[in-house]
Amino acid sequence: DAMVIQNPRYQVTQFGKPVTLSCSQTLNHNVMYWYQQKSSQAPKLLFHYYDKDFNNEADTPDNFQSRRPNTSFCFLDIRSPGLGDAAMYLCATSRDSFLAGYNEQFFGPGTRLTVL
Amino acid sequence: TQLLEQSPQFLSIQEGENLTVYCNSSSVFSSLQWYRQEPGEGPVLLVTVVTGGEVKKLKRLTFQFGDARKDSSLHITAAQPGDTGLYLCAALLIQGAQKLVFGQGTRLTINP
Repeated sequence: DAMVIQNPRYQVTQFGKPVTLSCSQTLNHNVMYWYQQKSSQAPKLLFHYYDKDFNNEADTPDNFQSRRPNTSFCFLDIRSPGLGDAAMYLCATSRDSFLAGYNEQFFGPGTRLTVL
Repeated sequence: TQLLEQSPQFLSIQEGENLTVYCNSSSVFSSLQWYRQEPGEGPVLLVTVVTGGEVKKLKRLTFQFGDARKDSSLHITAAQPGDTGLYLCAALLIQGAQKLVFGQGTRLTINP
């Protein structure tokens, strides 16, 4: 089945120790997104890639970086995690919304990050 | 200020009751989506509404898009414990690019 896969599902890191979360998709979608979601809140968009074009949200801290080496894979790098970065990190994909007329997003199961 | 306002934010009802969740804005949307998210999982798309006044049904769930495309509602008939979850509305703004704007969510609990 076509899907969005995130690894690991649970990640524990230490304060200040860099961590990388990964996302892969078999949907062949142009657009990939990274969201941060804290308990009982809506997902907050960090950035997205439209093909290889990187689009950062204005309020995304510099501590968060992303890489998309090919269509299928996207990585979220947190350079120096703080306690406030503990959250669920969601990856999502969509087809080109301009062509589709709307932007249905397909989410992975998320990676829950704990910072000690 | 939240662009998409969902109400109520929390709702706990008994199995078999009916309920309605609302998603409102002062902005016009080109489309609106409803997602359900279960604990520890990512959101799953339930429906997309595109046309003003549109009504879509998904088993016991009925979704309506306002005539002016500024608001939407989700009605659940005869709620079941399996309906428990966080319900999120999300909209693609007319002026928007590839981004969805999410409401703050409605946390629904159905008690057996």
